[in-house]
Amino acid sequence: AQSVAQPEDQVNVAEGNPLTVKCTYSVSGNPYLFWYVQYPNRGLQFLLKYITGDNLVKGSYGFEAEFNKSQTSFHLKKPSALVSDSALYFCAVRDQAGTALIFGKGTTLSVSS
Amino acid sequence: GAGVSQSPSNKVTEKGKDVELRCDPISGHTALYWYRQSLGQGLEFLIYFQGNSAPDKSGLPSDRFSAERTGGSVSTLTIQRTQQEDSAVYLCASSSVGVMNTEAFFGQGTRLTVV
Repeated sequence: AQSVAQPEDQVNVAEGNPLTVKCTYSVSGNPYLFWYVQYPNRGLQFLLKYITGDNLVKGSYGFEAEFNKSQTSFHLKKPSALVSDSALYFCAVRDQAGTALIFGKGTTLSVSS
Repeated sequence: GAGVSQSPSNKVTEKGKDVELRCDPISGHTALYWYRQSLGQGLEFLIYFQGNSAPDKSGLPSDRFSAERTGGSVSTLTIQRTQQEDSAVYLCASSSVGVMNTEAFFGQGTRLTVV
């Protein structure tokens, strides 16, 4: 069965600095990978996805993520963090056979001014 | 509809009562998911419907939990004999079948409180 690990419960960065939120996955075959964001008292919003093609994918709000097959990772990155990026971030995986979408436990990103 | 709709948005129930939570997915989406999010916790997968295939029920925590999807559209999650540990936000999501459109879209959730 597929699984996702987000090794950091919380990531703290200063505004303007680059940020990385880590994600590793386990899946049979080739993965579909996703990042979602949850702002306080709001629903989950889709940020970006890797389906095929370029390993570097770009998404909403200036976020990007790099698919690394050898390391089974899909880390979320942003060159310059904003205070408004502070939220709960989830990585998710499913395999190409159409199985369920499985989420990691989430990482709280805190950006200080 | 324009998005995934869940009802009720909030539900308070007494321990031991049964509850039904409803999800109306985006029109045309054949995949439907239920998740549970406890306070400060991640998203726990519950059940997955895909078209006419048998649902993946591997995430249901006990036989008190069940779900149906009628006519390939609306889904109902039923929790029988609710317990206090069932208190959580229950999230529904739907997605399309196309490879390039496989991201799931979430509803706002139903906050269940068992007292």
